[in-house]
Amino acid sequence: DADVTQTPRNRITKTGKRIMLECSQTKGHDRMYWYRQDPGLGLRLIYYSFDVKDINKGEISDGYSVSRQAQAKFSLSLESAIPNQTALYFCATQLAGATDTQYFGPGTRLTVL
Amino acid sequence: AQKVTQAQTEISVVEKEDVTLDCVYETRDTTYYLFWYKQPPSGELVFLIRRNSFDEQNEISGRYSWNFQKSTSSFNFTITASQVVDSAVYFCALSDPGDGGYQKVTFGTGTKLQVIP
Repeated sequence: DADVTQTPRNRITKTGKRIMLECSQTKGHDRMYWYRQDPGLGLRLIYYSFDVKDINKGEISDGYSVSRQAQAKFSLSLESAIPNQTALYFCATQLAGATDTQYFGPGTRLTVL
Repeated sequence: AQKVTQAQTEISVVEKEDVTLDCVYETRDTTYYLFWYKQPPSGELVFLIRRNSFDEQNEISGRYSWNFQKSTSSFNFTITASQVVDSAVYFCALSDPGDGGYQKVTFGTGTKLQVIP
C-alpha cells in the first residue's frame, strides 16, 4: 500500500462549490504539506503543518484552508472554487527535520468549470 | 532569495543516447540540500536523490548520475543510455533555511524529457 494517499484522484466541480481534498500517510511523519502544480510554474506551497497544532500559510494560501485532523491526516479545502484553482494538487510528508526528504502523494487533478 | 533554474524546458533524445538535465540554484546559505524528483506521465512525484551542500562527491545509481559543483551552483543529472521509461518531467529542488526560520523547499519549473524509441 502507498505510504501517502490522496482522495479523490480526480475531481471536476463548478465555480462556487466547496471542495475538500484529503491526504493520509502511514509514514509516521510529523510534517505535512500541500502544493499545487501548474504547467510551467513548478510546485508552489499552499499550506504546511509541522504537527497537529502548528499550521502555517505558504506562498499561495489565498482561497484555501486546511485542517490537520491527526498526525496522519491533512485536508485542503477550497471554500468557493474558482476556475484558476484548476491544477494538480500534491500532498507531501516529511519526517521531522527541516532538511529531510519530502515524499509526495499521487496527486489530485482538480478541474473547476 | 532562493531560486532554482531549469533552463531546459523540453528535451528529446533517441533511445540509448545519454542526456544531461541542468539545474542551477541560488542561495545565500552555506548549508542547504538539493533534490531531484521524477514525474512520469502518470503524474506522481518520485524522489530520486538528496544531496547536502558539504558533499560534492558525484553519485551514480545505475544509469543515473549526478554532478554537484558548488563553484558553479549546479546540480546536473545525467541519464546514460536513455530508455523510453525515462520519459518524464524532472524537477530539481533546493532546501535551505531561507527567511523566517522555515526550511523552505524551492522547486524548479521542471524539464520534460522525451525519449524516442
